[in-house]
Order: sequence, then structure tokens, then C-alpha cells
Amino acid sequence: AQKITQTQPGMFVQEKEAVTLDCTYDTSDPSYGLFWYKQPSSGEMIFLIYQGSYDQQNATEGRYSLNFQKARKSANLVISASQLGDSAMYFCAMSDGSEKLVFGKGTKLTVNP
Amino acid sequence: DTGVSQNPRHKITKRGQNVTFRCDPISEHNRLYWYRQTLGQGPEFLTYFQNEAQLEKSRLLSDRFSAERPKGSFSTLEIQRTEQGDSAMYLCASSLRLGLADTQYFGPGTRLTVL
Repeated sequence: AQKITQTQPGMFVQEKEAVTLDCTYDTSDPSYGLFWYKQPSSGEMIFLIYQGSYDQQNATEGRYSLNFQKARKSANLVISASQLGDSAMYFCAMSDGSEKLVFGKGTKLTVNP
Repeated sequence: DTGVSQNPRHKITKRGQNVTFRCDPISEHNRLYWYRQTLGQGPEFLTYFQNEAQLEKSRLLSDRFSAERPKGSFSTLEIQRTEQGDSAMYLCASSLRLGLADTQYFGPGTRLTVL
């Protein structure tokens, strides 16, 4: 069964610094997708970045990059140059053949001025 | 280009009442999903539609829950005889399958409180 583990309940970072949010996954399917979503206090889930299991290069989207280490089954999110508006919950999710997303429990990121 | 919309945004009801939520997906998206999110957890899958066909239902979706997408556009999620354990955020997402990538875009959610 697919499983997503986010081991950091909370993370703190200073404004303008980089931060890494951890995510490990478990699946027996060779074809899968990994996603990161941001959820501000308003509740909406905002799509940030996607990595496919067959992608050779790590995904990047602006200040977001995904550090994909297939052998370790990890898909960590790196946010560069943190901004105050980055304070939110961050969820790692996976899909692997079934159509649903399986989410981790999330990491609460706080950016300090 | 409007995103996914959900109504109402908040709903407070008494135990035993029926409630219905609506989701309007992004217009060209053929897939629509419902998730439930309780406090301190990530969203959990409930069901999904491809066009008007409901293709998968989670065992979380008890017989008190029913979802429809009658014309392959908007969807409704009804909960009958609500219980306090139904209190949660109900999230709707939509996607347009393109090859292997199927990014789901979420609406703002409906927060249900059952008293």
C-alpha cells in the first residue's frame, strides 16, 4: 500500500534563508507521481510542484525545487529565499496508478522576520 | 481562468440533519475528486468521477454519503443523518489527465461543523 511519511511536524526558518521539508514514500508500483501542496490558514490546497518517477531531473518551479532520491524513496521540498508568505502547512502526496492522492500528515512551516 | 469553487464555505448543522455541498471544477477538467480533511491530518480520498461516472469510492464513504456529477460538470456531496464525527473540511479537486501527469487542483473547501 502507498504511504507518505513527513517526520517534521513543524519547521522554523529565517526570512530569506532556504529550508528543506522532508518526505519519504513507499510504493511497489514503478510508475508514480509525487506532489507538494501548500495549505495556508485559509484552507485551500495550492499545488506547488510535481515529480514523476521516470523523470531524470529534479523538478523546479521558481523558488521551489524537489530533491528526488529514488533509491532512498525520498522527495524533499526545498524552498529558497523564504518569504513571510511561505508560512503555511506543506503536504507531500503521491499517486501510483490508482487515481487518488495519498497525503502525508504535513509540516507546519513558520518563516520568521 | 477560474479555479475550483466550492459552496458553501462553512456549514454548521445539528446532528441528524442532512447537508449538501457543491463543487464546480475547472471548466475543461474531466476528473473531479472529493477528499475529507480532519484537524491535524492530510486530506483523505473519498471518491472520484471521470465525466459523470463515479469510478472509485473509498471505504470511508459510508452509506450516509452520496456523491453525484449528473452532467459531468459540477458535483454534489450529500451527507445524510450527520454525526459529530463528520465534522471536517471537505475538499474538492479537479484534473485533466495528460499522459502520466494528473495534477489535481483544489478548491477552498467546505468546513462542516456538526453540533
